[in-house]
Amino acid sequence: DTEVTQTPKHLVMGMTNKKSLKCEQHMGHRAMYWYKQKAKKPPELMFVYSYEKLSINESVPSRFSPECPNSSLLNLHLHALQPEDSALYLCASSQQTGGQPQHFGDGTRLSIL
Amino acid sequence: EDQVTQSPEALRLQEGESSSLNCSYTVSGLRGLFWYRQDPGKGPEFLFTLYSAGEEKEKERLKATLTKKESFLHITAPKPEDSATYLCAVRGNNNNDMRFGAGTRLTVKP
Repeated sequence: DTEVTQTPKHLVMGMTNKKSLKCEQHMGHRAMYWYKQKAKKPPELMFVYSYEKLSINESVPSRFSPECPNSSLLNLHLHALQPEDSALYLCASSQQTGGQPQHFGDGTRLSIL
Repeated sequence: EDQVTQSPEALRLQEGESSSLNCSYTVSGLRGLFWYRQDPGKGPEFLFTLYSAGEEKEKERLKATLTKKESFLHITAPKPEDSATYLCAVRGNNNNDMRFGAGTRLTVKP
């Protein structure tokens, strides 16, 4: 079992739907991350939050909107996604954005119809 | 720009057949080199962090080593449950994020 919890585990949505992915950690970490992973590829960074503030946005389309309500929670709001957005979305956390390791959740498997 | 290259892309071993996975990197000021294991449909599981050349870390059948240009993940007498994709990542001074390699898919046959 991981210490980073992601919900839902699976999500199927149409291109006009609005949905949210949720991530929670209770390790006291102050940095949280969203990654996108396609099959047989490494994770690709999307967003980094440090002390609840967005510090990195890797040129992600605006149809993905991150939110960090508090130090334990991270959301990813989805709207008007495209079929190519189908992927495994991973959340991770680390003590800070330094040289500490990131700990990953098991992800949300997203399918866009 | 930081770069990470892992080899081989895929590795098939018999149970008990020891081997090594390679991670070559170029980075401006290494702040950490990380090894992860990923099973299908799961998130990456943290294994080791190495910070400076000469450093070594061990966990069960796995041993990670680091030089100024590369890291090795040595697997001693592997078992079928060691089958997974092993990912290497680096963090340098110029980035607030990790740069991942493409991974090595390890299969251990009984």
